[in-house]
Amino acid sequence: DTEVTQTPKHLVMGMTNKKSLKCEQHMGHRAMYWYKQKAKKPPELMFVYSYEKLSINESVPSRFSPECPNSSLLNLHLHALQPEDSALYLCATTWGGGTEAFFGQGTRLTVV
Amino acid sequence: GQQLNQSPQSMFIQEGEDVSMNCTSSSIFNTWLWYKQDPGEGPVLLIALYKAGELTSNGRLTAQFGITRKDSFLNISASIPSDVGIYFCAGPYSGGGADGLTFGKGTHLIIQP
Repeated sequence: DTEVTQTPKHLVMGMTNKKSLKCEQHMGHRAMYWYKQKAKKPPELMFVYSYEKLSINESVPSRFSPECPNSSLLNLHLHALQPEDSALYLCATTWGGGTEAFFGQGTRLTVV
Repeated sequence: GQQLNQSPQSMFIQEGEDVSMNCTSSSIFNTWLWYKQDPGEGPVLLIALYKAGELTSNGRLTAQFGITRKDSFLNISASIPSDVGIYFCAGPYSGGGADGLTFGKGTHLIIQP
């Protein structure tokens, strides 16, 4: 059983839609991350939240908008996406000072 | 993020064979991590290494943190069908700590019947 839960597992959305990805963790970790993974590629860092504050934004387009409502939740709001944004979106957590990241199962996003 | 060079890109082996893969970096790392990813799933942490020269085992898996702190190796002994998947090395994205991870390109392990 994973302690980092992502919903939904699959999402198909149109280019004019607004949708949100959700990540929940109950590990007591204080850092949370969004990664994007294209097929046959490694995960790429998008955003880092440390103690519920955005600390790193890796030049991600504004059509991706992260939010960290509390220490257990991380959202990724999606708006006006492009087909090339189709990918596996992964949430991860660390305890804050460490490097070992624990990943959720991911949301497979398809933009049509 | 820092660049990690992982090899080989893919491996075709017979069940029961041993497997070796490695990762190198152009800069020094304080931590090396090895993950396995199954199709449609998130990466799962296999082994974490924190000291140069450290050798750590997890069942049939053994990983080493290179003395130069610029490389790491992962070995799998006596491979079984469930070992199939993509193996990634990873290290701190920049300064370490909560800055996230940078990954190698992965080694795709395929076990032939």
